[in-house]
Formats: sequence, structure tokens, C-alpha cells
Amino acid sequence: DTAVSQTPKYLVTQMGNDKSIKCEQNLGHDTMYWYKQDSKKFLKIMFSYNNKELIINETVPNRFSPKSPDKAHLNLHINSLELGDSAVYFCASSQTSGSSNEQFFGPGTRLTVL
Amino acid sequence: AQSVAQPEDQVNVAEGNPLTVKCTYSVSGNPYLFWYVQYPNRGLQFLLKYITGDNLVKGSYGFEAEFNKSQTSFHLKKPSALVSDSALYFCAVRPYSTLTFGKGTMLLVSP
Repeated sequence: DTAVSQTPKYLVTQMGNDKSIKCEQNLGHDTMYWYKQDSKKFLKIMFSYNNKELIINETVPNRFSPKSPDKAHLNLHINSLELGDSAVYFCASSQTSGSSNEQFFGPGTRLTVL
Repeated sequence: AQSVAQPEDQVNVAEGNPLTVKCTYSVSGNPYLFWYVQYPNRGLQFLLKYITGDNLVKGSYGFEAEFNKSQTSFHLKKPSALVSDSALYFCAVRPYSTLTFGKGTMLLVSP
């Protein structure tokens, strides 16, 4: 009965490859997010989707492309992986009936690019 | 633009002693303030939030936080620390749609 789940938990790949990370939430929320946590544990928003529509796109290389097939899913596809993409990626969700609502986070995907 | 500052990289406290993790913020308008905790190799867990009303907010695991508008602070507190409280704590502010996090403070509680 995990609220926000991500797969895979660990992802090790070579530079130049294309990979995807999947996220699903069963909370009935209408907004989902992707965050990147770097090696210094700094957290930064990458994308936000509300009802399957992109509402926030921070300064992220266009090699990163989020896809939301429905309100419960927000997948992250990364093309031409680079060493600097190595990080932990967190998916989150919230209900935007008010921006006071807290976000629920997934367990994270640790991406290592060799 | 909004910002959050957590001035301490690490806070050390002995079990049973009170703890404080500091957070100050800068935002135009009325902020929504949050505290999250991250245990090793885990995602972030929500602890508490301030929206409006009473300046002292109570949250999960015995934590509380005090909102101080004049000092633009939202310090996290607990009267008696547990070893199991050792984790990384993030303060966050959300005036509109974007949640901005501080850099995190590692709390280490020694037995």
C-alpha cells in the first residue's frame, strides 16, 4: 500500500545511454513532481505536472523529458546520460486544492552514470 | 524569489536533551512553511507545517516548530531527543506553487 512508488530503486548505466524512471502514486493527488538531490543532499525541483499538464519546468536540460500518461503516473525519461546526471531522483505528489498541502515523496531512485 | 536558509550543516545533541534545528526564510507575502525529515537511503517524510494561526505548530514524532514572523524564522524543536531522531532535516517554503528547500541540517543524537 505504498503511497508513492518509484522504479527502479537503483540504476547504473553508461554515459550516452537513454533511461527511464517510473513513478506512481495511489493517493488520488492531482499534482506530481520530480526532484533531483545531488551529492551534497541539495534538493531542487525539476518538473511539476497538474492533471497531466506541465506547470513547472525549472532550468533542466531538454535531455530530461517527463511524461504523464495519467494523473497517477509521472515518468522521467533521460536521453544521452552524462556523468553530472548522477544523483538521487525523487518523485512526489500533492493535492493542489491549496498550496498549503504537503507533498508526499517516493523512496528515490539512485542514478549512477559511469 | 523565495529562499530558505538552514545555517547549521550539523547539530549534535545528547539523547534526552532538547534540540533545535534552525531555519530562516525570505519570501514576499504570507509563506507556507514545512519541515521534512530524510532517514538514510529513504525519501522525505513530512513532519509539520505552518499555514496560519497559532505560531507553535505540533507535528509527528514529538516535533514542534515555532513560527516567528518578525525574525522570519521557523525553528524545529523537540523537548527530548532520541537516538532514532538522527537524520537529515529540511525546511521548505511555499508561497505559490514551487516548494523551495533549504540545504538540510544533519541531526546527530548521541546515546
